[in-house]
Amino acid sequence: GEDVEQSLFLSVREGDSSVINCTYTDSSSTYLYWYKQEPGAGLQLLTYIFSNMDMKQDQRLTVLLNKKDKHLSLRIADTQTGDSAIYFCAESLGGYNKLIFGAGTRLAVHP
Amino acid sequence: EAQVTQNPRYLITVTGKKLTVTCSQNMNHEYMSWYRQDPGLGLRQIYYSMNVEVTDKGDVPEGYKVSRKEKRNFPLILESPSPNQTSLYFCASRPVGTASSYNSPLHFGNGTRLTVT
Repeated sequence: GEDVEQSLFLSVREGDSSVINCTYTDSSSTYLYWYKQEPGAGLQLLTYIFSNMDMKQDQRLTVLLNKKDKHLSLRIADTQTGDSAIYFCAESLGGYNKLIFGAGTRLAVHP
Repeated sequence: EAQVTQNPRYLITVTGKKLTVTCSQNMNHEYMSWYRQDPGLGLRQIYYSMNVEVTDKGDVPEGYKVSRKEKRNFPLILESPSPNQTSLYFCASRPVGTASSYNSPLHFGNGTRLTVT
């Protein structure tokens, strides 16, 4: 079946690292994505990883993929107040006609 | 500026009164899609369109209609809205048919918050 699960809340101190976790169920997923939603706005693509990769790094963002366990994580180094948002994990199935989104993790960054 | 524009941003209506939420993109994207966002459920796809006059049901199409008469526009129609359609709606688009299609991100509009009383 198709399901993407994330924890709903994460609170971190400014300057610390944040790790947002996601599990998915469909092993045929080709791409996995992280989207960021700021208040009052739509979703913006943060980063993505192809299913044959284990890791991808992009400046402060590190994506880790454990395909065996169907586990995806997003690490944000040196978390800033501007990183406060909802983060969605999503998997693409087949020809990208279908993106399955998780419920979103609300990241709160406090001083 | 490349963008997906939804209107209105906020809408309060009553049960049974037909409404249309418009969506327009200026990027010449073939693919367009509608999602609804509900707390604890993430985004669920309502309908999508691969090109003009080609539309398909997503995961939660009941109570909705769409049309794609022009490439840039993809309106969402609620013929007889009900309170369970109170939600935050997002339109999104992306190009298809290129070598990098999988990498092309979905471009999202800023959302339409609909309340049906």
